[in-house]
Amino acid sequence: KQEVTQIPAALSVPEGENLVLNCSFTDSAIYNLQWFRQDPGKGLTSLLLIQSSQREQTSGRLNASLDKSSGRSTLYIAASQPGDSATYLCAVEPQGAQKLVFGQGTRLTINP
Amino acid sequence: AAGVIQSPRHLIKEKRETATLKCYPIPRHDTVYWYQQGPGQDPQFLISFYEKMQSDKGSIPDRFSAQQFSDYHSELNMSSLELGDSALYFCASSLGLVEQYFGPGTRLTVT
Repeated sequence: KQEVTQIPAALSVPEGENLVLNCSFTDSAIYNLQWFRQDPGKGLTSLLLIQSSQREQTSGRLNASLDKSSGRSTLYIAASQPGDSATYLCAVEPQGAQKLVFGQGTRLTINP
Repeated sequence: AAGVIQSPRHLIKEKRETATLKCYPIPRHDTVYWYQQGPGQDPQFLISFYEKMQSDKGSIPDRFSAQQFSDYHSELNMSSLELGDSALYFCASSLGLVEQYFGPGTRLTVT
């Protein structure tokens, strides 16, 4: 059974810092991995999708990497801003399934 | 760009009542997914449909059923509601096995 873990559960940093969020998964047989952002009580906004054959994806100040063999992904946020404050969720789509398995998220606070 | 539409956005029901949640996927998307997110929890997969056929099933209670219609919209029917069913229910859609796009969610409160 695929399990996804995110560390840390919460992170608070001053504005302007670069930071890394971690995601690990137990079964390397995945189609893809997606990073989402969720504001309190709101929906999920897709940030980046990395397909299993890819190593990384970039969008603006965000960079996500994938090491499928070790079951790890990182989300790098450069030059953090208060507007980046949200919960960041990592999810994998297991091979042979049509669903996402989510981690518990990292609650990020950027202090002005 | 068109997004996933969910209705209603908020729903209040009493225990033992029934509820129907609707999802309209992004045009041309062929796959619809339903997720449940309890307070302070991560989204849990309920069920998915590809081309109107059930494609995967998660921890969906027997009291819940869902289907995808010929116009690709989907409905989640929930009967004999319990207090523990109070949650955010998300629908997502995709074109094949790629990026899933989530709707804004339906907040269900059972009293």
